[in-house]
Amino acid sequence: AQTVTQSQPEMSVQEAETVTLSCTYDTSESDYYLFWYKQPPSRQMILVIRQEAYKQQNATENRFSVNFQKAAKSFSLKISDSQLGDAAMYFCAYVDRIGDDKIIFGKGTRLHILP
Amino acid sequence: NAGVTQTPKFQVLKTGQSMTLQCAQDMNHNSMYWYRQDPGMGLRLIYYSASEGTTDKGEVPNGYNVSRLNKREFSLRLESAAPSQTSVYFCASSSRRNQPQHFGDGTRLSIL
Repeated sequence: AQTVTQSQPEMSVQEAETVTLSCTYDTSESDYYLFWYKQPPSRQMILVIRQEAYKQQNATENRFSVNFQKAAKSFSLKISDSQLGDAAMYFCAYVDRIGDDKIIFGKGTRLHILP
Repeated sequence: NAGVTQTPKFQVLKTGQSMTLQCAQDMNHNSMYWYRQDPGMGLRLIYYSASEGTTDKGEVPNGYNVSRLNKREFSLRLESAAPSQTSVYFCASSSRRNQPQHFGDGTRLSIL
């Protein structure tokens, strides 16, 4: 069965600095999708970025980028120029491209932004 | 744009009571999901429905039942609530698996 591991329960970063959140996953599939979601204190779940496994190029969305290492089964999220509004829980998620529609979430990393 | 609407937002039950959580989406999405979120456990999939008329078990289905009433609605039922089911429940929908999930605001459920 597929698993998603986020090894950092909490992290802190100084405002305007860069931080990287780790995510590793385990799968026997070769084609799948990966996501990072953000959950601020409002409890809303918001998509940050997604990556398709067949694409070599790392996805980027403004200050958010990923380092996708398929062979290592690693999908880390880099946040540049951290802002106070980035404080939230961040969840990594995995889903197969074919087969069942189950989406597997990691346990999350709580990110604190220090002013 | 309502998106995904969950009702109720809060509920307190006594052990053994039954309850149905309602979820509706207005985005014409095929897939719908129910998750529970507990501290330190992330989001765990309870049940999902890949299309109208189909439902499948997720990671933690015991103690729950679901109904995909039509394409818009996907309800979650607790037949005999237990304190271990105290959690925040999220409903989500998506058009395809490579598309982002859209989440409701969550239901905070306490079982005494």
